[in-house]
Amino acid sequence: SQQGEEDPQALSIQEGENATMNCSYKTSINNLQWYRQNSGRGLVHLILIRSNEREKHSGRLRVTLDTSKKSSSLLITASRAADTASYFCATVRVPNAGKSTFGDGTTLTVKP
Amino acid sequence: NAGVTQTPKFRVLKTGQSMTLLCAQDMNHEYMYWYRQDPGMGLRLIHYSVGEGTTAKGEVPDGYNVSRLKKQNFLLGLESAAPSQTSVYFCASSYLEKETQYFGPGTRLLVL
Repeated sequence: SQQGEEDPQALSIQEGENATMNCSYKTSINNLQWYRQNSGRGLVHLILIRSNEREKHSGRLRVTLDTSKKSSSLLITASRAADTASYFCATVRVPNAGKSTFGDGTTLTVKP
Repeated sequence: NAGVTQTPKFRVLKTGQSMTLLCAQDMNHEYMYWYRQDPGMGLRLIHYSVGEGTTAKGEVPDGYNVSRLKKQNFLLGLESAAPSQTSVYFCASSYLEKETQYFGPGTRLLVL
């Protein structure tokens, strides 16, 4: 069964605006990771947030984690056309050989 | 470092044919994974390995076999390809079970 589910499925914004996407999951986790996938390419890791953390920043990215609501959000500030991609959350539960469970992703389009 | 590499990049098979996809990583990672990604969807885990000589089933293992004879290589085999196996296949590796996964560029497989 799918563990991480992203919302919305698709998001279209203008360059310079902020983009927020959400991830919900069902069971307890050790950490949650966000990945980006450009069309036709492999996934690139963006940020990892552990279950005992509430917020993390990396450049224009801000990730929050609410374990009581079993949800996470990814905020991209001051978006650029180059941010156009699909974004996936992956939840990791241990012990489970660290297998990540990926959602179906949010497709972000940033219009110049 | 090359990171994670996959060969081939693209392959067309006829139903019933067999093939092997090769994944190689030069980061000395213990954990390796094979995923498939169907259009508009996230990644689903096929098989994974927690170390040289070990393999285990993931979410969708039927129709696939794997081997991890060397730490740096993880092979995915299709013994008798079916059209339902048309997909993009991604290999990934990680150092620890909870940590970031590093993805290869993918292999696009078309089964006619």
